[in-house]
Order: sequence, then structure tokens, then C-alpha cells
Amino acid sequence: DQQVKQNSPSLSVQEGRISILNCDYTNSMFDYFLWYKKYPAEGPTFLISISSIKDKNEDGRFTVFLNKSAKHLSLHIVPSQPGDSAVYFCAADGSARQLTFGSGTQLTVLP
Amino acid sequence: DAEITQSPRHKITETGRQVTLACHQTWNHNNMFWYRQDLGHGLRLIHYSYGVQDTNKGEVSDGYSVSRSNTEDLPLTLESAASSQTSVYFCASRAGSTDTQYFGPGTRLTVL
Repeated sequence: DQQVKQNSPSLSVQEGRISILNCDYTNSMFDYFLWYKKYPAEGPTFLISISSIKDKNEDGRFTVFLNKSAKHLSLHIVPSQPGDSAVYFCAADGSARQLTFGSGTQLTVLP
Repeated sequence: DAEITQSPRHKITETGRQVTLACHQTWNHNNMFWYRQDLGHGLRLIHYSYGVQDTNKGEVSDGYSVSRSNTEDLPLTLESAASSQTSVYFCASRAGSTDTQYFGPGTRLTVL
């Protein structure tokens, strides 16, 4: 049973618009959440993270929101750019200090 | 610049062969990890190590082994490769338990 779920395998957005990527988790012991971005033929690279004591973290065009009661987090990219086209993985960390990843969402930003 | 490298980048092998994938990092990180990436599953943890001589099983460890004889390297061995082990393999490292994991470029393994 997947503890971290990304239910949308793909998302297409027009350049300049907002991209919203969603992630749900089931394990209430997770206390730290991350987003990684992956281009083809490269390894994932860290994008942004959030601790469970916060509900929002912002870094430039990227903002992550955490709703602990709903066990849901989302990544907002504003404005979206063609270079943002990649696979985005949500990951969660808990007391075991090991990452559990979602299955990823392929974001395509159309020019 | 410090980095994490994997070799080979691509490997084709036959069922039953032993295969070793290399992972080398120059950050002097204590923690190292091996993941496999498969469509629909994201990245799943195979094995990990928190320091020299320390190795631990992850979620999908069957058929894989690792050894940690120094800080820089964590080779992943498939003792008898199976077609189900066809995948893309990523190595990662981090300094400590609260630090960010950094990933290598990956090895695409095909088992025929």
C-alpha cells in the first residue's frame, strides 16, 4: 500500500500560468516533506521542503502548502516556464529518517 | 566540486549473471542510499548505509546486496540478475539524518 500518492501522472499548463501538483500521504508519523524535480536521464534534484510545524514554505516561484489534517500537500509554481517541464516527485520523511516517494507527476509547460 | 557519480550509466546483462553497480561520492557523506525507479512506483529504497561497515535493508531488498568498506563508495550487487530487476537505479547521499539527499545521475540496467 503506497503511503505517498501522486494521483495525477501528468499535468499540462500554459506558460505563465500556475502549475499545481498534488500529493497525499497516509502515515501520520511523517513530519517532513520534500519535492524533487527530475529531468530525463538525470537524477532527481531537491526543489523545496516543508516541516510539519509549518503550513507554507516559499522559494521564489515555488511554494509548498501542507494541510496536516487532510494529509495533503501541494506544490505551486507561479509563473510556470517551459524549463519547469519535468517529473516532480513528492517525498515524505519520518522518524526512520528515510524518504518515501510518490510515483511522480510529469509536468509539461506549453509555450 | 564535490559530486556523486554512478557507473556504468547503461548496462545490459543476462538472467543469472552477477552485476555490480558503482556509486561514489566525494562529499564525505555518512549516509548513502540505493533506489530503483519503475513506472508507477516512483523511487523505492533498496538498501542504505549510515556509515562504514553499516548496511540496512530497504523496502525492496530481495536479490540485492551492498557493502560499505569506506565512506565514499556503496556498490550495489545483484547476485543473480532477474528480468524483474530491469530498472533505473539511483544512488543518493546525505551528510546526516536531517540533511537533504543528493542523487547521482542513475544507471539504466536491462536484464535479458
